[in-house]
Amino acid sequence: GAGVSQSPSNKVTEKGKDVELRCDPISGHTALYWYRQSLGQGLEFLIYFQGNSAPDKSGLPSDRFSAERTGGSVSTLTIQRTQQEDSAVYLCASSRQTDTQYFGPGTRLTVL
Amino acid sequence: AQSVTQLDSQVPVFEEAPVELRCNYSSSVSVYLFWYVQYPNQGLQLLLKYLSGSTLVKGINGFEAEFNKSQTSFHLRKPSVHISDTAEYFCAVSDFGSSNTGKLIFGQGTTLQVKP
Repeated sequence: GAGVSQSPSNKVTEKGKDVELRCDPISGHTALYWYRQSLGQGLEFLIYFQGNSAPDKSGLPSDRFSAERTGGSVSTLTIQRTQQEDSAVYLCASSRQTDTQYFGPGTRLTVL
Repeated sequence: AQSVTQLDSQVPVFEEAPVELRCNYSSSVSVYLFWYVQYPNQGLQLLLKYLSGSTLVKGINGFEAEFNKSQTSFHLRKPSVHISDTAEYFCAVSDFGSSNTGKLIFGQGTTLQVKP
């Protein structure tokens, strides 16, 4: 079956611009996670959605980062006024409950 | 707070030799443990997981891992590696026992380099 998909696969932007990253989870998966992978920080949790519950935003690094999940399915991660330190690979994962997470291929963000 | 330590950043090994990638975690609550593999320019692929039950878990591609609660370890092993196993391997612990979100805390990763 179809796995987690993310778009775009690569995004190059200029410092100060806003970007939107999209994640389509596996159908039927109620939990959705965003992670960031960077050379200096490794893999870091950003945000978690579960059904209609309030999201866990404890991993978002600043108020320039936000995410939403519409209709319990597709999620969008938005970074406002991008900075060079935002350059990283952004990974999305989904799971049926809260045990096994399946990851998408990631979006590589480069901020010039 | 939970943390995961992968003791080796790089592990070079010859093809057909055995390999062990070490992982230790710190947690005061029940945990779920995972190993993921990442091939160049790809996402993370689940190798195996420990949720409960038998402490020896078998995964894909001939990998296995053993959960050792007393030593808080979850080392990954393979008896005979192939060139195609060259990749980065991540150990992760889920915080399900403490916060009920299931978010993963990852180690820094181990690069397995299989040489012919």
